[in-house]
Amino acid sequence: QKEVEQNSGPLSVPEGAIASLNCTYSDRGSQSFFWYRQYSGKSPELIMFIYSNGDKEDGRFTAQLNKASQYVSLLIRDSQPSDSATYLCAEYSGAGSYQLTFGKGTKLSVIP
Amino acid sequence: EAQVTQNPRYLITVTGKKLTVTCSQNMNHEYMSWYRQDPGLGLRQIYYSMNVEVTDKGDVPEGYKVSRKEKRNFPLILESPSPNQTSLYFCASSPGTALRKLFFGSGTQLSVL
Repeated sequence: QKEVEQNSGPLSVPEGAIASLNCTYSDRGSQSFFWYRQYSGKSPELIMFIYSNGDKEDGRFTAQLNKASQYVSLLIRDSQPSDSATYLCAEYSGAGSYQLTFGKGTKLSVIP
Repeated sequence: EAQVTQNPRYLITVTGKKLTVTCSQNMNHEYMSWYRQDPGLGLRQIYYSMNVEVTDKGDVPEGYKVSRKEKRNFPLILESPSPNQTSLYFCASSPGTALRKLFFGSGTQLSVL
């Protein structure tokens, strides 16, 4: 069974700092990786996805993928209290699987 | 407004009483899916559907049924609910099978007594 591992946290960072969230996955065939943000009591919302090795930037967010190490990360620059949420990493294998496998999430707290 | 609509938002029921949670999307998406979310276990997929009349099991399908008779609707059926099915349920849809973006409904909090 495919696994996506995340540190459950909580991860606490001061306002304005860089928050670094990490994720490892077990399936070497995984094609795409996603970061979702989920506020307490709300549904997950997509932040960004990445499918090529290297970095992908979108505003204050940078996703990093290293397929050789089976490692995905999300950096949040200039963290704001509104970034306090649980961040879910997910992987997609494609190739007939058509399933997203989610990690259990990392809870981030940004301290004012 | 483009959205995935789940009903009901909250449901309390008793063991063995059949129930249906409805899910509808207005974006003409091909792909729809059901997840359950439990503390410490994360989001786990129950069933998914690639298109009308095409459904497949996810990681935790036991005790659930689904149907996809129309493209917009994907109801989740619990024929005989048990307390271990108490959970937060999310329906989601996506325009394509690459799942580049999943649109989630607001969730259904189910309690089975």
